[in-house]
Amino acid sequence: AQTVTQSQPEMSVQEAETVTLSCTYDTSENNYYLFWYKQPPSRQMILVIRQEAYKQQNATENRFSVNFQKAAKSFSLKISDSQLGDTAMYFCAFPSLYNFNKFYFGSGTKLNVKP
Amino acid sequence: DVKVTQSSRYLVKRTGEKVFLECVQDMDHENMFWYRQDPGLGLRLIYFSYDVKMKEKGDIPEGYSVSREKKERFSLILESASTNQTSMYLCASSDRGSGRETEAFFGQGTRLTVV
Repeated sequence: AQTVTQSQPEMSVQEAETVTLSCTYDTSENNYYLFWYKQPPSRQMILVIRQEAYKQQNATENRFSVNFQKAAKSFSLKISDSQLGDTAMYFCAFPSLYNFNKFYFGSGTKLNVKP
Repeated sequence: DVKVTQSSRYLVKRTGEKVFLECVQDMDHENMFWYRQDPGLGLRLIYFSYDVKMKEKGDIPEGYSVSREKKERFSLILESASTNQTSMYLCASSDRGSGRETEAFFGQGTRLTVV
């Protein structure tokens, strides 16, 4: 199976500050997408941001951006101006090498935003 | 608004019982998934279905089976529930498409406790 590794089980950040969540993965492919999902306490998992490996430019969605380093197989999520509503589990996800319709997820990082 | 609905949010069953977890999506998606979520292990794929009556084992299929008789409905079956199947179960769906950018949409999860 492919591997997606999130090495930070839990992190905390003060409201309005910036935090970066790490993710590394393993693949031999050249073209693929990477995803970050958020699971708030309500448990409804939602997509935060996605990055195409072919693109040099890092993806940005409002306060969320990625630092994608293809050679290092690293895909970090940066959250700027953290808000209390950002408190959630964050999962890095990666489509299967053999069937891109199948997703593999990391173990998750629990982010606590403190007032 | 896209929707994936799981039939129960919380479920308590006895050891040895046959348990059905139901999932319905209204997006006409070909792909449907069942994941199991445990602390520190992230989401692990149990089964994947890419069409009606078609299924593929994920990483942890032992003790589980699935049924997909209609496109919108994907059921996870625990033939004889055991305490080690106590977990959070997440259903998801995605459009098959040809693009690797396709995201998965998730239900709200079923927290199953086997006593």
